[in-house]
Amino acid sequence: DAGITQSPRHKVTETGTPVTLRCHQTENHRYMYWYRQDPGHGLRLIHYSYGVKDTDKGEVSDGYSVSRSKTEDFLLTLESATSSQTSVYFCAISDFGGVGGYTFGSGTRLTVV
Amino acid sequence: KQEVTQIPAALSVPEGENLVLNCSFTDSAIYNLQWFRQDPGKGLTSLLLIQSSQREQTSGRLNASLDKSSGRSTLYIAASQPGDSATYLCAVTQTGANNLFFGTGTRLTVIP
Repeated sequence: DAGITQSPRHKVTETGTPVTLRCHQTENHRYMYWYRQDPGHGLRLIHYSYGVKDTDKGEVSDGYSVSRSKTEDFLLTLESATSSQTSVYFCAISDFGGVGGYTFGSGTRLTVV
Repeated sequence: KQEVTQIPAALSVPEGENLVLNCSFTDSAIYNLQWFRQDPGKGLTSLLLIQSSQREQTSGRLNASLDKSSGRSTLYIAASQPGDSATYLCAVTQTGANNLFFGTGTRLTVIP
């Protein structure tokens, strides 16, 4: 999607290794979010950020950490990847906490073997 | 906790037919409701955003309505085309919550 880029697009990693996913935006939006999408569960919020260095947990935050040192970048780290974290990860941005709607990135497909 | 339900889970229609997708939510304290389209293996594309004060939004062949008091929204697709085949997701932004609550989607197939 224009204005929001996720990297990498695909990644295969081994159980127990740390993994970092990156979300980059060019819209200067204050709010950024990480979601995971799994069959039967839909999209669930992992963490979100409401400003530089301001982050909070979502409903499925265990095993994940985030950092936001610049407005445009939001990083998601899996401290020690597990097979249950195999999923598709989406980043989203919003200007006023969702009041103006959300824009999503193209996703990162992560496989933990 | 807000719960969003979409019915049906899957729908198959012949090309040219008009169709309606349904979305319901349990808590009416929302800022807005957003309809997305997701193609297989792809990201989410925003189709329509309806603010809580609005009754409907239109974009081309798409029309979305919102009845906040009853917790319902519909997405109407006119003159369906094979290119409309995708999964359609509705999501609500709840007042006071920094989260977007999603339904599990309706998978639409338009048969040529």
